[in-house]
Amino acid sequence: DGGITQSPKYLFRKEGQNVTLSCEQNLNHDAMYWYRQDPGQGLRLIYYSQIVNDFQKGDIAEGYSVSREKKESFPLTVTSAQKNPTAFYLCASRLKQGAVDGYTFGSGTRLTVV
Amino acid sequence: GNSVTQMEGPVTLSEEAFLTINCTYTATGYPSLFWYVQYPGEGLQLLLKATKADDKGSNKGFEATYRKETTSFHLEKGSVQVSDSAVYFCALSPRVQGAQKLVFGQGTRLTINP
Repeated sequence: DGGITQSPKYLFRKEGQNVTLSCEQNLNHDAMYWYRQDPGQGLRLIYYSQIVNDFQKGDIAEGYSVSREKKESFPLTVTSAQKNPTAFYLCASRLKQGAVDGYTFGSGTRLTVV
Repeated sequence: GNSVTQMEGPVTLSEEAFLTINCTYTATGYPSLFWYVQYPGEGLQLLLKATKADDKGSNKGFEATYRKETTSFHLEKGSVQVSDSAVYFCALSPRVQGAQKLVFGQGTRLTINP
């Protein structure tokens, strides 16, 4: 079955460390997205990529970095510059072909800084 | 800019009650509108969508109508069940060229008591 896989489901990080969250899709979607979810604030866009080897900053990109070397993969690195990294991170991909336009979300990674 | 405002939560209802979760939006042009649902510890699932004015999206007994004149997309269900307990997000996708991302409301937590 096609879908998006995020790993790990839970991640703990010490302050000052970088950590990378994985997002893999086998849907052949061109566009991929990273969102951050905090209680009472909905989802905020961190980075997005519309094609391989290209990506754009979202609304809260500071302290994060991404790469898009393969169509299937869009890893997110939370750097030590991110002041408040504890959150739930969601990855999504998008299919837009003619009249078909839909997003698919992964099941998320909960990151906790200890 | 583009933004979505949802009814403040949490919302608590008894089983078989009527549900309304309000959603209004601000957008350039005529966006596509979505309702997503998030069950505990999971990612987002598309509940329903509408792509033009007066369209009605429906799924699993939920409905929402795209109202251009009031810039609204309120979610309704005639008789809720305990299994409907979740967080509900209203979202829009702008139609402006190059704007390839979802904009979310803050989410509304719904709890249904038996």
